[in-house]
Amino acid sequence: DADVTQTPRNRITKTGKRIMLECSQTKGHDRMYWYRQDPGLGLRLIYYSFDVKDINKGEISDGYSVSRQAQAKFSLSLESAIPNQTALYFCATSEQGAGVLGEQFFGPGTRLTVL
Amino acid sequence: AQTVTQSQPEMSVQEAETVTLSCTYDTSESDYYLFWYKQPPSRQMILVIRQEAYKQQNATENRFSVNFQKAAKSFSLKISDSQLGDAAMYFCAYRSAVISVYSGGGADGLTFGKGTHLIIQP
Repeated sequence: DADVTQTPRNRITKTGKRIMLECSQTKGHDRMYWYRQDPGLGLRLIYYSFDVKDINKGEISDGYSVSRQAQAKFSLSLESAIPNQTALYFCATSEQGAGVLGEQFFGPGTRLTVL
Repeated sequence: AQTVTQSQPEMSVQEAETVTLSCTYDTSESDYYLFWYKQPPSRQMILVIRQEAYKQQNATENRFSVNFQKAAKSFSLKISDSQLGDAAMYFCAYRSAVISVYSGGGADGLTFGKGTHLIIQP
């Protein structure tokens, strides 16, 4: 089974709808992240969480909100979706502490299309 | 804030040949990690290789190696004996080492370049 899972894998929605993307992990990591990938722009950080009580905005948080329901779950919400939020969304996790070497582990991605 | 630049939007190489992908970065930090991630058409992000900035020795992983030039802030990826399965988008990424360890006093997350599309010609 995958260590980092995302649901749904693909979603088509309409402008103005509320949508939630979910991420779950079995790696036992404290830190979780949401990234957005647009063609030609690489991945950009939306939000990150050090633990259940510590959530922080990333580079492009406007129009998004998150919820860390448990150590293993981190959800991304679009309160009122707009077409320029059409993108590929990735969840990632990482450990914390010395000797960890900084790697982040990515989920399979969610392809979101806003019509 | 850190920035990562990949100046080659697309590269093409013949199967079995060697190709080098370029990456430069800008930072005021002295301790950090650099990564190359591969994204095949399946869109999964796969770690190819990692370099710790405090290590002078260049990292290698089988056919993949890096040329890390800390003073020049350069981190290129060399793929030897290119195979058809190497065809993918390749992303260079940066992460602060201090923030990796301690959760206070700075922004976490990977900073990515815009990617290089690698084509392998049979």
